Amino acid sequence: KQEVTQIPAALSVPEGENLVLNCSFTDSAIYNLQWFRQDPGKGLTSLLLIQSSQREQTSGRLNASLDKSSGRSTLYIAASQPGDSATYLCAAVTGSARQLTFGSGTQLTVLP
Amino acid sequence: NAGVTQTPKFQVLKTGQSMTLQCAQDMNHEYMSWYRQDPGMGLRLIHYSVGAGITDQGEVPNGYNVSRSTTEDFPLRLLSAAPSQTSVYFCASTTGAGRTGELFFGEGSRLTVL
Repeated sequence: KQEVTQIPAALSVPEGENLVLNCSFTDSAIYNLQWFRQDPGKGLTSLLLIQSSQREQTSGRLNASLDKSSGRSTLYIAASQPGDSATYLCAAVTGSARQLTFGSGTQLTVLP
Repeated sequence: NAGVTQTPKFQVLKTGQSMTLQCAQDMNHEYMSWYRQDPGMGLRLIHYSVGAGITDQGEVPNGYNVSRSTTEDFPLRLLSAAPSQTSVYFCASTTGAGRTGELFFGEGSRLTVL
């Protein structure tokens, strides 16, 4: 059974810092890995999707990498802003049912 | 650009009552799914559907029923609500080859069972 872990559970940084969020998974036979953002009381918004054959994806100030052999993905946020404050979740797609298994998320606070 | 629409946004039930959470998407996605989100446990898959007339169980299906009569709609039924079903429920849909495309989520339905 796939298990996804995100560390740390919470992170607070001053505005302007570059930061890295970590995601690890136990079953390396994934189809893809996705990063989401969730604002309080809201649904999840897809940020980046990395297919199993890819090593990284970039969107604006966000860069996500994938290392299947080590069971790790990282989300790099450059020049953080207070508007980046949210919970970030990663999810791995595995199995014949293409089921997403989510991590518990990292709650990010960017201080002005 | 409606995307994935869930209703109601909030609901309070008494133990033993039944209700249906509605989910509709206007993107012609074949794959739809229901998740519940609980503190410290992330999102867990309840049921999913790969197309009209086809549904299957996820990780935590007990106490829930689904049906998929159209591509657009995927309602989730609570048969006899229990306090353990207090949670935030999210509906999601996707397309793409092998159902591994980007996942689109609704805004969630917050359910409290007393």
